[in-house]
Amino acid sequence: ETGVTQTPRHLVMGMTNKKSLKCEQHLGHNAMYWYKQSAKKPLELMFVYNFKEQTENNSVPSRFSPECPNSSHLFLHLHTLQPEDSALYLCASSQGEGSGYEQYFGPGTRLTVT
Amino acid sequence: SQQGEEDPQALSIQEGENATMNCSYKTSINNLQWYRQNSGRGLVHLILIRSNEREKHSGRLRVTLDTSKKSSSLLITASRAADTASYFCATDGFESNYQLIWGAGTKLIIKP
Repeated sequence: ETGVTQTPRHLVMGMTNKKSLKCEQHLGHNAMYWYKQSAKKPLELMFVYNFKEQTENNSVPSRFSPECPNSSHLFLHLHTLQPEDSALYLCASSQGEGSGYEQYFGPGTRLTVT
Repeated sequence: SQQGEEDPQALSIQEGENATMNCSYKTSINNLQWYRQNSGRGLVHLILIRSNEREKHSGRLRVTLDTSKKSSSLLITASRAADTASYFCATDGFESNYQLIWGAGTKLIIKP
């Protein structure tokens, strides 16, 4: 878990709220990722950024809006979420994007939508 | 679409025994990775095996890859209580645009 931090660790929000998740990596990596992890389901890739440019958007609903101001920081802006969006949101980074790079994960933000 | 599928979904063994987990996938791959996740936390990379490799070791871990059967296994020898975690395989290849595609994981419990 060291090297990639996420805040907050826990978040409870109503369906009409707006909140943001923050991720920071201290590893000098060039690629950053957002994943959604729901119980008993595989990790779902949401977004990928490489050198601050978005390279993947895995058909994610527009109520999730990513932002990558630089290679070290990644945000996920949330608005008008649904209860089924409750999950663990994981941020990861890797030296590069593409085949063969191991990913380093943050501890995640446990999101509950009420 | 789901690429990796781990088997079994859950495994409970005594401390000191060996634990074997399997991963099957559907399409051709470049690499396969194994990760560990302690309860509700981030994932930790364990080992990467390339499609042209058949076996790889790291400490008490042994990973095998059989591309003809599209399967991999992770063996943890002499298990310890600290090995209690969920274990995931992830593959990358042309069909995933080289992004990692994950399985649903095997939950391993080591009983003291």
